[in-house]
Amino acid sequence: DTAVSQTPKYLVTQMGNDKSIKCEQNLGHDTMYWYKQDSKKFLKIMFSYNNKELIINETVPNRFSPKSPDKAHLNLHINSLELGDSAVYFCASSQDAFFDTEAFFGQGTRLTVV
Amino acid sequence: AQSVTQLDSQVPVFEEAPVELRCNYSSSVSVYLFWYVQYPNQGLQLLLKYLSGSTLVKGINGFEAEFNKSQTSFHLRKPSVHISDTAEYFCAVSPSVGYQKVTFGTGTKLQVIP
Repeated sequence: DTAVSQTPKYLVTQMGNDKSIKCEQNLGHDTMYWYKQDSKKFLKIMFSYNNKELIINETVPNRFSPKSPDKAHLNLHINSLELGDSAVYFCASSQDAFFDTEAFFGQGTRLTVV
Repeated sequence: AQSVTQLDSQVPVFEEAPVELRCNYSSSVSVYLFWYVQYPNQGLQLLLKYLSGSTLVKGINGFEAEFNKSQTSFHLRKPSVHISDTAEYFCAVSPSVGYQKVTFGTGTKLQVIP
């Protein structure tokens, strides 16, 4: 069983479109994250949710809106896609939101905006 | 604020040779340190972490890292590498208090040559 699963794995879309990436974890964790990895492999946190509540929002444009219907799911909606949004997006989860808990990552969603 | 510097973007090494991947960090607060590995087309996996105690930390797959507070370094080492160790390695830090907010380095690609 996959611990943290993301769909789709690949996503190619045109500028201006709206798209969503789904993430689910079956580990019973309380905290979930979205990270963005750019073309230079730089990995940066975007959001963190703990028990469905937003706890970290790293100055991400308003076009990005995470939604957590329950603590096992954290979906990422992106409106009006831009070329610069092309990246690999990783979902992750951890037991709780504090420093000493290991984060488990999904396999990533490669988003290409053309 | 915290940052992580991985000076080597690529490290080629022959199979069964030792390897050291360098990591330096800066932070205005006390931090915890991590090394993650990313195999091709996969998410990140935790190799090891330093929270407190002994400065020499042992992780999975025969890797170890040493925390050096005076030099603000957390270099990763392995005495004998295998082909299967070929991957991207990320050093990361997180503040030791408050919510987990991991900052990653830009990664080092370890290429093991047969």
